[in-house]
Amino acid sequence: NAGVTQTPKFQVLKTGQSMTLQCAQDMNHNSMYWYRQDPGMGLRLIYYSASEGTTDKGEVPNGYNVSRLNKREFSLRLESAAPSQTSVYFCASRQGSMNTEAFFGQGTRLTVV
Amino acid sequence: AQKITQTQPGMFVQEKEAVTLDCTYDTSDQSYGLFWYKQPSSGEMIFLIYQGSYDEQNATEGRYSLNFQKARKSANLVISASQLGDSAMYFCAMRGSSGGSNYKLTFGKGTLLTVNP
Repeated sequence: NAGVTQTPKFQVLKTGQSMTLQCAQDMNHNSMYWYRQDPGMGLRLIYYSASEGTTDKGEVPNGYNVSRLNKREFSLRLESAAPSQTSVYFCASRQGSMNTEAFFGQGTRLTVV
Repeated sequence: AQKITQTQPGMFVQEKEAVTLDCTYDTSDQSYGLFWYKQPSSGEMIFLIYQGSYDEQNATEGRYSLNFQKARKSANLVISASQLGDSAMYFCAMRGSSGGSNYKLTFGKGTLLTVNP
């Protein structure tokens, strides 16, 4: 029972490099999310996908792009990484109805030097 | 717009005592949901409890209960009989019901709970 799987778990990038964070869920959930967690800031929503084929900006979308590849997969791309994007990134999914909780991946610790 | 406020950056409690973690929220939606998550030092996010805005009773899940005061827009988490394993960061979150807030889960900044032996 994998739940939400994120890859990679750790990554170090140089400023200006690009990379894609992968996320896949096996719970047949409609909605998927990308958050970043920084000390003292809680979890801030970067992008979300309410259902397959749709994506929307969250609180902090600048510098990121996303793709909802299919119902299972939701990727986050950093086109030109900056030190300000050093963070822990979480992918989450949920069924979409009012009272269902979100299930989270294990997180990706990204450092941009 | 939705907003969650957790005013306690850190809390301390003695083992076996109860502790209340505060959460206030702001929304213009009539229907909404409130969630609490636990994040231990290992980093994973663990769902604890849910309260719907129209639920007549406060939610309970084992040692966790939610003190929901709708008029005050507060949804405080109460942990009874604290254990050392309760030491973690705790996040309050909410989901609205209008437009995009129907899907977005907005988090507070969290409260770091330390349980002392």
